[in-house]
Amino acid sequence: DVKVTQSSRYLVKRTGEKVFLECVQDMDHENMFWYRQDPGLGLRLIYFSYDVKMKEKGDIPEGYSVSREKKERFSLILESASTNQTSMYLCASTRQRYQETQYFGPGTRLLVL
Amino acid sequence: AQSVSQHNHHVILSEAASLELGCNYSYGGTVNLFWYVQYPGQHLQLLLKYFSGDPLVKGIKGFEAEFIKSKFSFNLRKPSVQWSDTAEYFCAVNPNYGGATNKLIFGTGTLLAVQP
Repeated sequence: DVKVTQSSRYLVKRTGEKVFLECVQDMDHENMFWYRQDPGLGLRLIYFSYDVKMKEKGDIPEGYSVSREKKERFSLILESASTNQTSMYLCASTRQRYQETQYFGPGTRLLVL
Repeated sequence: AQSVSQHNHHVILSEAASLELGCNYSYGGTVNLFWYVQYPGQHLQLLLKYFSGDPLVKGIKGFEAEFIKSKFSFNLRKPSVQWSDTAEYFCAVNPNYGGATNKLIFGTGTLLAVQP
């Protein structure tokens, strides 16, 4: 069974803080993704990575950065958290072969005060 | 830009009622299609997927979906819902140009509440 874990289920931070969200997968997947999930907006892709140290912007990268130093770990960084970044953050991974399924972590619910 | 539309944002059904959730996408080329489900407090998980072949695909828990290429649709169906089907359902598309990155474009989701 594929397992994608996220470092925190709930997180409360203050405006301006630097926030790190960690994601780890145990299936040697090449591709990893960060989404945010908001009511009525579905899932929107923030960043994805197709290899160690490689990253590409998704649809809403502003205010976020990412780091992929090891294959199994993909970090999402909020350089200076703002209240509009209050959301559910989902990590996913998949093999780098055509027609593969994305597997999701449990999510981190972030509240920025 | 490619997009995925889910027309029903909230659906309330009684147990044993039939379910159909609509999904339309805007990409004109070859696509891979998915339905994901998120039960309360749980991970987003795959319900079913279509890559090629028979356009009627069956998934877990009695769900099925039909790909109609001419209508750019991939509607989800279940003949008789149960209370345990209460969840949020997401349609997603992987345009063929996405290649091996397997990037997905998600719809906005449909919240299904099944009343016992």
